[in-house]
Amino acid sequence: EIVLTQSPATLSLSPGERATLSCRASQTVSRYLAWYQQKPGQAPRLLIYDTSNRATGIPARFSGSGSGTDFTLTISSLEPDDIAVYYCQQRTNWPPITFGQGTRLEI
Amino acid sequence: EVQLVESGGGLVQPGGSLRLSCAASGISVTSNFMSWVRQAAGKGLEAVAVIYAGGSASYPDSVRGRFTISRDDSKNTVYLQMNSLRADDTAVYYCARGVFFGELSLDHWGQGTLVTVSS
Repeated sequence: EIVLTQSPATLSLSPGERATLSCRASQTVSRYLAWYQQKPGQAPRLLIYDTSNRATGIPARFSGSGSGTDFTLTISSLEPDDIAVYYCQQRTNWPPITFGQGTRLEI
Repeated sequence: EVQLVESGGGLVQPGGSLRLSCAASGISVTSNFMSWVRQAAGKGLEAVAVIYAGGSASYPDSVRGRFTISRDDSKNTVYLQMNSLRADDTAVYYCARGVFFGELSLDHWGQGTLVTVSS
């Protein structure tokens, strides 16, 4: 079973700063990774698909990168509205969808 | 515009059953990968059932044999039948559509429905 480990668990930064969130897979299954943003009281929203592609309507300050087992979500200049928990996700053989445990972003 | 609307959540006793519904508009549930993802209070996300466009379904060990995902083309609705419910099944249950750009991502989510298993 694949495990996605996100770090840090909590990230506290100031508006305008750069945020770097990490997601590491326990083994290589897929070249691709997705990232989701979940604001308090809301459903998750797709941010990044296939490692580096922004979903529809996602601002350019969000970017994704990585390969193999190490992936990164970068928010170039934080805004107060970016307060959320961020999850990574891969399609895996079993179960078919695996999520990381999340990184809480505080601003 | 794609919309997914879940319903059917509520309070149920341990050992009981519940059926959740996910009514879709803007997409055909039989032509898409559909999933149910749950989230216990203060916890992360767990996919508990998926159904591929071809009709095959998959479940994690935590719910296999107890949960069944199905779909109704005429109502454009996906269901999650949950039997033998346990306290640790308490969570918000989201319906989500999966797309394979290069790989699987969940691009549309419903607002969720709360299931509470308690005596």
